[in-house]
Amino acid sequence: GENVEQHPSTLSVQEGDSAVIKCTYSDSASNYFPWYKQELGKRPQLIIDIRSNVGEKKDQRIAVTLNKTAKHFSLHITETQPEDSAVYFCAASTGSYIPTFGRGTSLIVHP
Amino acid sequence: DSGVTQTPKHLITATGQRVTLRCSPRSGDLSVYWYQQSLDQGLQFLIQYYNGEERAKGNILERFSAQQFPDLHSELNLSSLELGDSALYFCASSVGGARSEAFFGQGTRLTVV
Repeated sequence: GENVEQHPSTLSVQEGDSAVIKCTYSDSASNYFPWYKQELGKRPQLIIDIRSNVGEKKDQRIAVTLNKTAKHFSLHITETQPEDSAVYFCAASTGSYIPTFGRGTSLIVHP
Repeated sequence: DSGVTQTPKHLITATGQRVTLRCSPRSGDLSVYWYQQSLDQGLQFLIQYYNGEERAKGNILERFSAQQFPDLHSELNLSSLELGDSALYFCASSVGGARSEAFFGQGTRLTVV
């Protein structure tokens, strides 16, 4: 089955800095890569996703890149703010859509 | 509000007991997924149902079982509970099929004492 590795497990940045979270996947058939944000005590919520026919997608301060050859994808957050502090999960899925999640990255943005 | 409803929000029970967690998916969603999130752990996929049929199984223990009913709500049954079963259990739903977004419920926090 699919295996998703996510790094780093913890990321601490100063407000205004950029943050990058990286994920790799194992199943070359995976074609959908969502990113979820989970604030403390709350449910995971989709923040951005990318499909296999696209190399990059941007939504305001967040962007995701995908390299299908290398089987890795990344989340980029620019101009980080304290409210960006949360756990971020990457996921990969194939056509049957059983998302396999990474172990999560705890992002801490210091004011 | 994601539209996915999970009950109860919190559950405290003793070892050896059996509990049932309930999930109502978003209107129109045919797929339901169950995930377990332990402390400092990621989201562990347990099981998926699609339109009443079991579609896929992940790391689900034999003590655990689930089903999806004709009205598409789902129940996760956990039996012979152990301390290590204490976790946050999430249900998610999606329209189903390739590349459809999963919407998560607020979770049920299970504490086994």
